[in-house]
Amino acid sequence: AQSVTQLDSQVPVFEEAPVELRCNYSSSVSVYLFWYVQYPNQGLQLLLKYLSGSTLVKGINGFEAEFNKSQTSFHLRKPSVHISDTAEYFCAVSENSGYSTLTFGKGTMLLVSP
Amino acid sequence: ETGVTQSPTHLIKTRGQQVTLRCSSQSGHNTVSWYQQALGQGPQFIFQYYREEENGRGNFPPRFSGLQFPNYSSELNVNALELDDSALYLCASSFGGGQAAEAFFGQGTRLTVV
Repeated sequence: AQSVTQLDSQVPVFEEAPVELRCNYSSSVSVYLFWYVQYPNQGLQLLLKYLSGSTLVKGINGFEAEFNKSQTSFHLRKPSVHISDTAEYFCAVSENSGYSTLTFGKGTMLLVSP
Repeated sequence: ETGVTQSPTHLIKTRGQQVTLRCSSQSGHNTVSWYQQALGQGPQFIFQYYREEENGRGNFPPRFSGLQFPNYSSELNVNALELDDSALYLCASSFGGGQAAEAFFGQGTRLTVV
């Protein structure tokens, strides 16, 4: 069975500072990896995904993530955050077998202050 | 192209009652997945429907059931509601049941059981 661990429940950061949100996963088979963002009272929006190929994945809103197979990690980064990036961020994994189902981490709340 | 829409947006039910939540999938999508997101948690997979058939199920009891219609819209039914069923219920649609298919989420239905 697959699982996802998001190591930080909350990450406070000042505007224009860089940020990294950490995600580790566990799976016995190869996986696809995703980052979603959830704004208050909203559904989930896909930021980026890793399916195969280059381990550095670029997404929307200036976010990027790097897949590290040996460390089973998929950390999300942004070089300079904005107030509008304040939201909950979820890392998710889908196993490369059978039907598609996403297993989510518990989320990391990114709090950007001026 | 219309996105994923869910109705109602908010709902209050009494313990023991039954509830039906509705989801209209994005145009061109034939797969619908339902997730339960408890407060402070990541979404948890309930089940998936692909071309009107249940295509997979998470660790939820049989009182959680669903349907998918020929137009690929879907319903989630929950019988004998319990207080712990209080959560945000998210519907996601995609094209195909494959693991790499991008899931588009609706804004969710907030269910409160009292």
